[in-house]
Amino acid sequence: EAGVVQSPRYKIIEKKQPVAFWCNPISGHNTLYWYRQNLGQGPELLIRYENEEAVDDSQLPKDRFSAERLKGVDSTLKIQPAELGDSAVYLCASSPESGEEQYFGPGTRLTVT
Amino acid sequence: DAKTTQPNSMESNEEEPVHLPCNHSTISGTDYIHWYRQLPSQGPEYVIHGLTSNVNNRMASLAIAEDRKSSTLILHRATLRDAAVYYCIRGTSYGKLTFGQGTILTVHP
Repeated sequence: EAGVVQSPRYKIIEKKQPVAFWCNPISGHNTLYWYRQNLGQGPELLIRYENEEAVDDSQLPKDRFSAERLKGVDSTLKIQPAELGDSAVYLCASSPESGEEQYFGPGTRLTVT
Repeated sequence: DAKTTQPNSMESNEEEPVHLPCNHSTISGTDYIHWYRQLPSQGPEYVIHGLTSNVNNRMASLAIAEDRKSSTLILHRATLRDAAVYYCIRGTSYGKLTFGQGTILTVHP
């Protein structure tokens, strides 16, 4: 069974540019999570989806970050415009239902110059 | 703060048991204790979780203190592949995980 797929794996952009990350969760997993992991820190939840609905986006900086999960499968996380402080690894995870074991993708390493 | 407290680093020798401690003195009665580990350039990987009782699975054991203010992850025989950052995490019943900084485990051959 394929795991959580993320692309791209690496992205380098200049500040003020837009960037988007894509996530394909494990088939059949209803819950999808986006995390941000700064260097030397643990991941921090940005947003949690149950099917198409964003049920927890309290930690998402809504002035520049947006996310969507159309049809309750794939998801896209966007940053516009990017700032230097956005440099981090962006992780996507999925679970069959909320509260169950989370399966993480390899992450997208974003560098903003 | 709802995060847990763990030592920054620990070392072990291959094939010896490893006990990774965690303090979570402010944990609520309904929060679970999760352990995930993360290898370099990979996403975190689930290890084990529990609520009140000790738990065992193929990867590890989780010993939870009776007052739930602390817990210990036990790797029965460490291998080189167990070298990773181990996160002790509070998790709500609906799956919100609050990661701390984790413990860097080094395993010596």
